[in-house]
Amino acid sequence: AQKITQTQPGMFVQEKEAVTLDCTYDTSDPSYGLFWYKQPSSGEMIFLIYQGSYDQQNATEGRYSLNFQKARKSANLVISASQLGDSAMYFCAMREGPSGGYQKVTFGIGTKLQVIP
Amino acid sequence: GAGVSQSPRYKVTKRGQDVALRCDPISGHVSLYWYRQALGQGPEFLTYFNYEAQQDKSGLPNDRFSAERPEGSISTLTIQRTEQRDSAMYRCASSLDTGGPLDTQYFGPGTRLTVL
Repeated sequence: AQKITQTQPGMFVQEKEAVTLDCTYDTSDPSYGLFWYKQPSSGEMIFLIYQGSYDQQNATEGRYSLNFQKARKSANLVISASQLGDSAMYFCAMREGPSGGYQKVTFGIGTKLQVIP
Repeated sequence: GAGVSQSPRYKVTKRGQDVALRCDPISGHVSLYWYRQALGQGPEFLTYFNYEAQQDKSGLPNDRFSAERPEGSISTLTIQRTEQRDSAMYRCASSLDTGGPLDTQYFGPGTRLTVL
């Protein structure tokens, strides 16, 4: 089974609207972390937001929030008030494994977001 | 330094040649990772270092690929006898801690390798 599933190859959103990018994950480890990265056309990988499996509240970073539904194993990224500069590829990632030591990170295949003026 | 740096940014080589890709992590970062990213795909894990120790090399595709981090800082990924299928973006990432769940990786700009 895929560890990280991003089912939306491409998404469009109107400028200033909110958009949700889906991510589901698969793990049997109780301790894990979920990440979202942004990759603009320039190719860099920009860290956006992190959610730990034991965090009680959804993570937020400015216009980014992570809708963490543990029972459903989903970690959707919500971008509020979309801007043209948000057009990019977005990757969901998970790190898992025994706590207290090294954990491998697995990335999804990404969702390409295009913001329309 | 301010961020993770990689060199060269672009490398074009002929099939059969060896290449060495360099990564300079963020100062003080203990963990260093190498990934390969094909066009339109997410990064694929290659190998991981904790200080100078290579603790996981399970993602290296075959024995033509090797990596080292002799002094626990700069790392080199070497591909011997390159093949066209090795063409990809090779990314390095570093993180502050030992790779636990709270540990965020910061990526370098990558090296775009093209094997002719």
